Amino acid sequence: NAGVTQTPKFRVLKTGQSMTLLCAQDMNHEYMYWYRQDPGMGLRLIHYSVGEGTTAKGEVPDGYNVSRLKKQNFLLGLESAAPSQTSVYFCASRGVIRTSGSTSYEQYFGPGTRLTVT
Amino acid sequence: SQKIEQNSEALNIQEGKTATLTCNYTNYSPAYLQWYRQDPGRGPVFLLLIRENEKEKRKERLKVTFDTTLKQSLFHITASQPADSATYLCALPNTGGFKTIFGAGTRLFVKA
Repeated sequence: NAGVTQTPKFRVLKTGQSMTLLCAQDMNHEYMYWYRQDPGMGLRLIHYSVGEGTTAKGEVPDGYNVSRLKKQNFLLGLESAAPSQTSVYFCASRGVIRTSGSTSYEQYFGPGTRLTVT
Repeated sequence: SQKIEQNSEALNIQEGKTATLTCNYTNYSPAYLQWYRQDPGRGPVFLLLIRENEKEKRKERLKVTFDTTLKQSLFHITASQPADSATYLCALPNTGGFKTIFGAGTRLFVKA
């Protein structure tokens, strides 16, 4: 059980180049998320998906696109990279916690992708 | 909009002491609140969840309190160890429950 995996771990792009970040989870989770994390700003939601074939915008979606063709995979694309997109990107999936008749959720994160755009 | 505030200043404590981290939130009444740990270069890892009807939750050396009147959670690590050094994130579900809002985190350093 690998949990949430992300590829690549590191990448350097030149301004204007494109790339795709791949996230995979083997926990059969419906919900998946892409965040970026910048110093002092915490995790900001880029896009998310509530199931196969669905995607929705988060807090900072501009400059990114996503696809969820298979339940276990969630792809994040940068069509034309900009230096402002230099960041650490985390993928997460949502698991269910059921205790004493209540339902809540926890997020399982991947190891992150460190992207630098020059 | 929903906001979470955590102390952005790093917390430095001596090994063996109790570390206390604070999470304040506004414009919201969440059904539960979560704490995550993040080590440098890694993704956050879930630690504890406390529900709105629970005042306190414990897990080994960790203790979390949840005051829905003050809109505040306190996260305690007792008998702290250098291995506890990390960034701790507070998190809440959004109004619809399908997203999670994270605080910026508080960095904890435990000195031997």
